[in-house]
Amino acid sequence: AQSVAQPEDQVNVAEGNPLTVKCTYSVSGNPYLFWYVQYPNRGLQFLLKYITGDNLVKGSYGFEAEFNKSQTSFHLKKPSALVSDSALYFCAVRDYGQNFVFGPGTRLSVLP
Amino acid sequence: DADVTQTPRNRITKTGKRIMLECSQTKGHDRMYWYRQDPGLGLRLIYYSFDVKDINKGEISDGYSVSRQAQAKFSLSLESAIPNQTALYFCATSAGTHVGETQYFGPGTRLLVL
Repeated sequence: AQSVAQPEDQVNVAEGNPLTVKCTYSVSGNPYLFWYVQYPNRGLQFLLKYITGDNLVKGSYGFEAEFNKSQTSFHLKKPSALVSDSALYFCAVRDYGQNFVFGPGTRLSVLP
Repeated sequence: DADVTQTPRNRITKTGKRIMLECSQTKGHDRMYWYRQDPGLGLRLIYYSFDVKDINKGEISDGYSVSRQAQAKFSLSLESAIPNQTALYFCATSAGTHVGETQYFGPGTRLLVL
């Protein structure tokens, strides 16, 4: 069965510093990986995805993620964090049944 | 988010009551989903529907039922609510079968069962 782990419940970073939100996955075949963000009182919003091709994927709001097959990871990154990036971030993998399996989420706090 | 709407946004009910959560979409998508979100557990799939005549159980369907009234409408019912069904419920849609197809989420319904 497919699964996703986000090892950190909470990540704190100072504004202007780089941020990383970690994700590791387990799948039987080719991984199809996604990052979503949830702002307070809002539904999840799509940030970026990896399907195939270049291991570095760029997405919305200056975020990017690096697919690493040998480490089965898909970490979310941003070179310079903003206070407005503070939110709950979910990594997800798509399984053979074409349904999503979500990680438990990581709360990012960017401190001014 | 405005393309996928959920009603009500907040609901308080008592144990044993039947309640219905509704989802509507204007994206023209065939596929619709119901998830629940609990702290530390992420989103878990309750039911999903690939078209009006297709309903499938997800990971945690016990205690829930659904109805796909039309392409644009997908309702979730709790036949006899219990306190551990207190959660944030999300409806989502997607267009098709491509593995890269993303899901679009509604704003959520916060349910409290007393």
